[in-house]
Amino acid sequence: QQKVQQSPESLIVPEGGMASLNCTSSDRNVDYFWWYRQHSGKSPKMLMSIFSNGEKEEGRFTVHLNKASLHTSLHIRDSQPSDSALYLCAARYGSSGNKLIFGIGTLLSVKP
Amino acid sequence: AQTIHQWPVAEIKAVGSPLSLGCTIKGKSSPNLYWYWQATGGTLQQLFYSITVGQVESVVQLNLSASRPKDDQFILSTEKLLLSHSGFYLCAWSLGGVSYEQYFGPGTRLTVL
Repeated sequence: QQKVQQSPESLIVPEGGMASLNCTSSDRNVDYFWWYRQHSGKSPKMLMSIFSNGEKEEGRFTVHLNKASLHTSLHIRDSQPSDSALYLCAARYGSSGNKLIFGIGTLLSVKP
Repeated sequence: AQTIHQWPVAEIKAVGSPLSLGCTIKGKSSPNLYWYWQATGGTLQQLFYSITVGQVESVVQLNLSASRPKDDQFILSTEKLLLSHSGFYLCAWSLGGVSYEQYFGPGTRLTVL
């Protein structure tokens, strides 16, 4: 069964610090990863997607992908209290059509 | 701009009662539509998806059913609620094709007592 594992489960960083979140697929047939952010009581909002090996940067957010290790990471620099949220990693598998598999998430808390 | 609306915002229902949740999307023709469920503290699970009117594929069996009566409307329902149905129900849309990200609606919070 395809699984998406995220670590750590929770993370506390100081305001202005760097947050690093990890996500690994259990199935080599993965072809897209997405990162979503979900504030408490709200719906997830898409942050970034990646499907090619390497790095992609958008503002304070950077995602890396290593297809060989089936691993993606999200890095948030200059973290702000408003970044405090649940970060969800989602993966699409080539064999699954429109199905996305989500990880359990990393709960990020940015302390002023 | 596309807008996605879900109703109701929240619902408290008794075990064994029926349920109908709705989702409409405006500003996008023939989107792919999805239903997700998120238990409190649990992962987001895709329940159903639809690529066209009248066609719905089931992903996870949770004693729920879905229908797409119109191009811009997606309905989630059951005739008999279980305690385990409690959670956050999210509708999402994407462009046609499989490489496009999914955008979520505001969600419906369901409590089954």
